[in-house]
Amino acid sequence: RKEVEQDPGPFNVPEGATVAFNCTYSNSASQSFFWYRQDCRKEPKLLMSVYSSGNEDGRFTAQLNRASQYISLLIRDSKLSDSATYLCVALSGSARQLTFGSGTQLTVLP
Amino acid sequence: ETGVTQTPRHLVMGMTNKKSLKCEQHLGHNAMYWYKQSAKKPLELMFVYNFKEQTENNSVPSRFSPECPNSSHLFLHLHTLQPEDSALYLCASSQESPGANVLTFGAGSRLTVL
Repeated sequence: RKEVEQDPGPFNVPEGATVAFNCTYSNSASQSFFWYRQDCRKEPKLLMSVYSSGNEDGRFTAQLNRASQYISLLIRDSKLSDSATYLCVALSGSARQLTFGSGTQLTVLP
Repeated sequence: ETGVTQTPRHLVMGMTNKKSLKCEQHLGHNAMYWYKQSAKKPLELMFVYNFKEQTENNSVPSRFSPECPNSSHLFLHLHTLQPEDSALYLCASSQESPGANVLTFGAGSRLTVL
């Protein structure tokens, strides 16, 4: 079983749609979680950290469910510029134990 | 220059060549990393340096040799690579602290081994 598992997609949604990605993690000792965004042929960039109470940043909402060991990312009112691969990341153990998921590909269509 | 810069951006090499990838961070971070990204696979951590001391080597073959002369520079020396080593090599840096570790990535070096 992968340590961090994501639905690879692709998710193809129309502009303005709401889309949600889920990510599951196997290491119950994972402490912190992040969503990174990676555009085609570019480097990953931090989108948002995921706090236990859930957090919101504009159109983006991240949720953490420790009991079920999953993290979610909700994107409302999708824009064309949201098209990218979204990487789920779990931090456990020492600060350098970051485990990445394979990513979920999103394409927002005009 | 700001952030994390990597050179070269693209590299094509034969299996008998020796080349090096270079990474420089301008963020004052205390940790630097090499990751490998292959198509449809998660990022794989290769090496970690903290205050220029290597603290992690994730069973990487010896044909990859890292070097960290100071906390701002990181190299990945390559020799006798295999075609399956073709991938995007990403350098990253972070300011490590307990329970938090946000990475800033460079743009990557795309390597093709013929």
